[in-house]
Order: sequence, then C-alpha cells, then structure tokens
Amino acid sequence: QVQLQESGPGLLKPSETLSLTCSVSGGSIGGSQWSWIRQSTGKGLEWIGYIHHSGGSNYNPSLRSRVTMSVDTSKNQFSLNLSSVTAADTAVYYCARDSSHYWKFDLWGRGTLVTVSS
Amino acid sequence: QSALTQPASVSGSPGQSITISCTGTSSDIGTYNLVSWYQKHPGTAPKLIIFEFTKRPSGVSNRFSGSKSGNTASLTVSGLQPEDEAHYYCSSYAGSSTVLFGGGTKLTVL
Repeated sequence: QVQLQESGPGLLKPSETLSLTCSVSGGSIGGSQWSWIRQSTGKGLEWIGYIHHSGGSNYNPSLRSRVTMSVDTSKNQFSLNLSSVTAADTAVYYCARDSSHYWKFDLWGRGTLVTVSS
Repeated sequence: QSALTQPASVSGSPGQSITISCTGTSSDIGTYNLVSWYQKHPGTAPKLIIFEFTKRPSGVSNRFSGSKSGNTASLTVSGLQPEDEAHYYCSSYAGSSTVLFGGGTKLTVL
C-alpha cells in the first residue's frame, strides 16, 4: 500500500525558504505526477505545482517566481522549496499523487503544518 | 486564474439529497472533462470521491454522483448520512498543466 509522508521544519521566519520533502513508501515514484497542495486556516485548497518522476514540472502562476520542485528517484522522494515566505504562506502543506496524469489526486499525505512567524 | 466558485455551506437532513455546485469558466470546467471532487474531514487528508465529472474511484459509495452543465460542475450526495458531514472541494484542470481548486463547501447533516 503506497503511502506519502511530508517532512520539514514547522516554523519559519519571514523571508526564509520553506523546504519540504515527501517520501513515497510502498511503491515507486516512477510513472506518476506528484503535486504539492496547501490549505491556509479557514481557506480552501491551493495547488502549488507538480513534478513528474522524469523531472518535468509546472507551478501555480501566482507562486511561480518563488517555487522550485525537485525529485530524487533514488530516494523515492520529491521536494518543495518556497522562497521569501511571509505569514500568508502559513498553511498545512500536502503532497499528493496523480497516478493517471488526468489531474486527479488519488493519494494524499497527512499534511504538515508550516507556520511563518517572527 | 481565479479559484472555482462553490457555496460556503449546504445542509440537509439524514436521508435527504443535497447538491453542491462548482462554477468555473470556459477556460477550465467548460473546456476540460477533468473535474474532481474531494471530501475532507477535519484533521484528515482530502479523499478523492469523483473524477472526470462523473466517475467514482473504487470503494466510494454510489451515493456520491457528479454532473456537468456548461461551466458548472455539481456533486450530489443522496441518502445523507451523519458521516457525510465534511468539507467538499472541487478541482478542475485549467490548461497549461495547471489546476484550480474551489473554495470549499461545508456540508452539515442536520
């Protein structure tokens, strides 16, 4: 049974870079697209971007200037970097799988809370 | 790109049916048959319940159904049960390898 687990610092200061990793267990990272999605308190879900196991990627236009994603197939992991964070980036961050390449997220991690505060 | 529009809340009594709308534009819902719906209980990860407007993943109750009309997608939950109380989110492919989500709808089972 494939599982996803997010990991990374839970507290950042404004202007720092958010770095999260999603570990894929029970299956291969190959063959799927992998996304990061976040939810700020009291708000809806926001798609941050995706990366393919081959390294191809694309990001939400509203975050594109600050986002970088990478994949490490040898470790079965993919990562998110979000630079110059502000309080508005405080959210629960989820990693998710799209195994069909039809833009549906059929497997999610449990999410990790990232707080940006001075 | 703007988020898809959902009502903030809907409610219904056990056994009744409710419908949640998700309105987009001709650039997303109106063009692509790639709308999904997710159920989210507090403190848990979202769960895919509908994809490609009308399809259900294996294991999802047939009380959940989806439809589309123009630029609007809809999720119907029939035979409401207490465990259906949750937030529901729609998403749509929006072209150029991007995805939009709706703001979410809180379903209350009275």
